[in-house]
Amino acid sequence: QKEVEQDPGPLSVPEGAIVSLNCTYSNSAFQYFMWYRQYSRKGPELLMYTYSSGNKEDGRFTAQVDKSSKYISLFIRDSQPSDSATYLCAINSGGGADGLTFGKGTHLIIQP
Amino acid sequence: EAEVAQSPRYKITEESQAVAFWCDPISGHATLYWYRQILGQGPELLVQFQDESVVDDSQLPKDRFSAERLKGVDSTLKIQPAELGDSAMYLCASSAGQASLGYTFGSGTRLTVV
Repeated sequence: QKEVEQDPGPLSVPEGAIVSLNCTYSNSAFQYFMWYRQYSRKGPELLMYTYSSGNKEDGRFTAQVDKSSKYISLFIRDSQPSDSATYLCAINSGGGADGLTFGKGTHLIIQP
Repeated sequence: EAEVAQSPRYKITEESQAVAFWCDPISGHATLYWYRQILGQGPELLVQFQDESVVDDSQLPKDRFSAERLKGVDSTLKIQPAELGDSAMYLCASSAGQASLGYTFGSGTRLTVV
């Protein structure tokens, strides 16, 4: 079992819909949870990060962490065609060797 | 907005040839990472530097890959000899401090080995 599992999609939804993106992880030592957005031929850009279980909101984006289930989610409200991209979850334990473990990424398509 | 600079953007090389990638992190960022991203996959860490010292290179294929950050600023990743399976995006990222808060990626170097 991979440390981080993420459905690669593609996920196609109409403009204005609420999008739900999810990852599961296996290592309970993971403490820091991030979502990156990656446009084609670009590097990933950090969207949100969170440490604890619960919700964190930033504009149209909400990150949710459930440590008991080892499940993290990203919700996008009022989705726009410009949100079309690959969304990567990333996790680490916050230790001294703090490289990130990424999911495969979910390819999201917002249809105008 | 400060950026992580990488060059070249694209590189095509033949099998068995040597290839090198360069990264200039955001000014003042002590921590620098090299990741490899195969098409359709998430990035995977190759090497992490803290200033000029290697912190983690456990996933770096040391028989053919090398990385250096001599003055603790910019960094070079080299592959010699290149193999077909090395075709991927090579991403550099940097961080000012507690990397658990996320860090900044460059636009990457797309390597194609033919």
